[in-house]
Amino acid sequence: QVQLRESGPGLVKPSETLSLTCIVSGVSITTANYHWGWIRQPPGKGLEWIGNIHDDGSTHYNPSVKSRVTISADTSKTQFSLRLSSVTAADTAVYYCARRPVAGEISHAFDVWGQGTVVTVSP
Amino acid sequence: QSVLTQPPSASGTAGQRVTISCSGSSSNIGRNDVNWYQLLPRTAPKLLLNKNNQRPSGVPDRFSGSRSGTSASLAISGLQSEDEADYFCATWDNSLNGFYVFGTGTKVTVL
Repeated sequence: QVQLRESGPGLVKPSETLSLTCIVSGVSITTANYHWGWIRQPPGKGLEWIGNIHDDGSTHYNPSVKSRVTISADTSKTQFSLRLSSVTAADTAVYYCARRPVAGEISHAFDVWGQGTVVTVSP
Repeated sequence: QSVLTQPPSASGTAGQRVTISCSGSSSNIGRNDVNWYQLLPRTAPKLLLNKNNQRPSGVPDRFSGSRSGTSASLAISGLQSEDEADYFCATWDNSLNGFYVFGTGTKVTVL
């Protein structure tokens, strides 16, 4: 059974870098036809896709955060990370990691999600 | 940033049918399949419908979807108390080098 779990600091100061890790169990993140993404939900607002890392290690980011975001994979192939620089209060949100199959019966959607982790940007 | 518009709320009594619309444009729903997600408080988001109307394993057949032109819709038949949640449509948008976009979200209340 595939499971994802977000890990990282719950409080980040303005202008600093937010760093989160998604720990994946049950499958390697280099397994073909799977992408891995980060999505966030600010308080009282909707969901926002941040970006994906693909099975080949390439990445694709939301234009709204592209200049500040880096998603990378750990060499252990069991986790991937999010770094968001120069954060402001607008980056306060619940951050989710999720799996996105790109082939098969269920595809091009986030089918397995982590529980989410709250990140607050505050002095 | 959302370019997919949903009504902020919808409601019905138990057993009724509720429909949620998702309005987009030619660069997103007009070209790409739509997915629907359910968000319950304090739980991980759940994929409800894939590719407009395909239910992943375990999703009741009370949930159905459709897509036509630049709009999509989610229908919940036989509304149940456990369906009270936030629902988001989502799809790929081909503009700006492409990005995945979620709808504005609809809160469904079971009266």
